[in-house]
Amino acid sequence: GAGVSQTPSNKVTEKGKYVELRCDPISGHTALYWYRQSLGQGPEFLIYFQGTGAADDSGLPNDRFFAVRPEGSVSTLKIQRTERGDSAVYLCASSLQGGNSPLHFGNGTRLTVT
Amino acid sequence: GENVEQHPSTLSVQEGDSAVIKCTYSDSASNYFPWYKQELGKRPQLIIDIRSNVGEKKDQRIAVTLNKTAKHFSLHITETQPEDSAVYFCAASIGYKLSFGAGTTVTVRA
Repeated sequence: GAGVSQTPSNKVTEKGKYVELRCDPISGHTALYWYRQSLGQGPEFLIYFQGTGAADDSGLPNDRFFAVRPEGSVSTLKIQRTERGDSAVYLCASSLQGGNSPLHFGNGTRLTVT
Repeated sequence: GENVEQHPSTLSVQEGDSAVIKCTYSDSASNYFPWYKQELGKRPQLIIDIRSNVGEKKDQRIAVTLNKTAKHFSLHITETQPEDSAVYFCAASIGYKLSFGAGTTVTVRA
């Protein structure tokens, strides 16, 4: 079946602009995660959704970052007033139930802020 | 929060030899330990995982061991092949939140 889909695959934006990154999880997966991966590092937790609600947003670096999942399926990560330090690969993952269910990652969106 | 350290950062092995990657974690409450393989430009893919009530798990050429007392776990790849070349990440979690190590770049020399 289809895996986790993320769009766009690449996004180049100017400093100060607003961007939206989209994630389509595996059908039936109730848990959805956003991670950020900088070059040469492991993924870093940003936010976790169980259904429609953000159960844990403690990894969001500051209030420029926000994520939604209004219908419990597709999620959008929104970054306002982008900074060069936001450049990274943003990975979305889903799992069947959350908890210790295995995570299935998308291919990520490579964000470059110039 | 949980802190996961991973060693070595790079590993070069001759094809057919074994590769071992070691990770330590800080929070004794962690109870789930997956390993992910990431090829260049691709998504991390789960290759094996172990839960805290198990000491060892094997899947063909891949095995993982867990020592809860010492808070460390290891990935063993036997009979390495060129397609094993990738970055490998360990992770530890309490509930839903996975904390990843920094990764090990494995190169298998033909």
